[in-house]
Amino acid sequence: EAGVAQSPRYKIIEKRQSVAFWCNPISGHATLYWYQQILGQGPKLLIQFQNNGVVDDSQLPKDRFSAERLKGVDSTLKIQPAKLEDSAVYLCASSTQGVGGNEQYFGPGTRLTVT
Amino acid sequence: AQSVTQLGSHVSVSEGALVLLRCNYSSSVPPYLFWYVQYPNQGLQLLLKYTTGATLVKGINGFEAEFKKSETSFHLTKPSAHMSDAAEYFCAVSDPANQAGTALIFGKGTTLSVSS
Repeated sequence: EAGVAQSPRYKIIEKRQSVAFWCNPISGHATLYWYQQILGQGPKLLIQFQNNGVVDDSQLPKDRFSAERLKGVDSTLKIQPAKLEDSAVYLCASSTQGVGGNEQYFGPGTRLTVT
Repeated sequence: AQSVTQLGSHVSVSEGALVLLRCNYSSSVPPYLFWYVQYPNQGLQLLLKYTTGATLVKGINGFEAEFKKSETSFHLTKPSAHMSDAAEYFCAVSDPANQAGTALIFGKGTTLSVSS
């Protein structure tokens, strides 16, 4: 079974530029999560989708971050404009359904550096 | 609000020694509990989880953890460390009663170093 795929793996941009990350979850997984992992910290949820609907985006900085999951499969996360403090690893995870206790499978992440 | 505290940002052990990584949670109700491992430049991999039932949970690679409600703890142990266990370990919780979603709340992580 193929795992969660993410691209690009690395991205360097200047502040105020825009950037987009892509995630392809495990086939058949209805729930998709985006987490932000700042160096030295644990991952923090940005947004959770159930199929193509948003379940929780309470911690997403909506003035600069946006995410979509068209057709309930792939997802993109966009930052516009980027700030220095957005430097982090962005992790995508998926699970079979949004039920507590279900295992979340993580992709390798996209490491973003904002200069 | 739920929170997770991992005591010790860095733990060093010798190969063959006991591994003990500490995790305490703060929650009004017993949460679901998880331990994940992260190797350099890789995503997180589930080691084990507790949802209900037996409080001693066995996971992959010889790790186990015990849920102690009275101590609000979920410490991770392994009897004998291997060099390959060197990685970052994260404790996480989710709220069974959270109707908004099932996202994980992570601790800050503990880096495990294993020396020969």
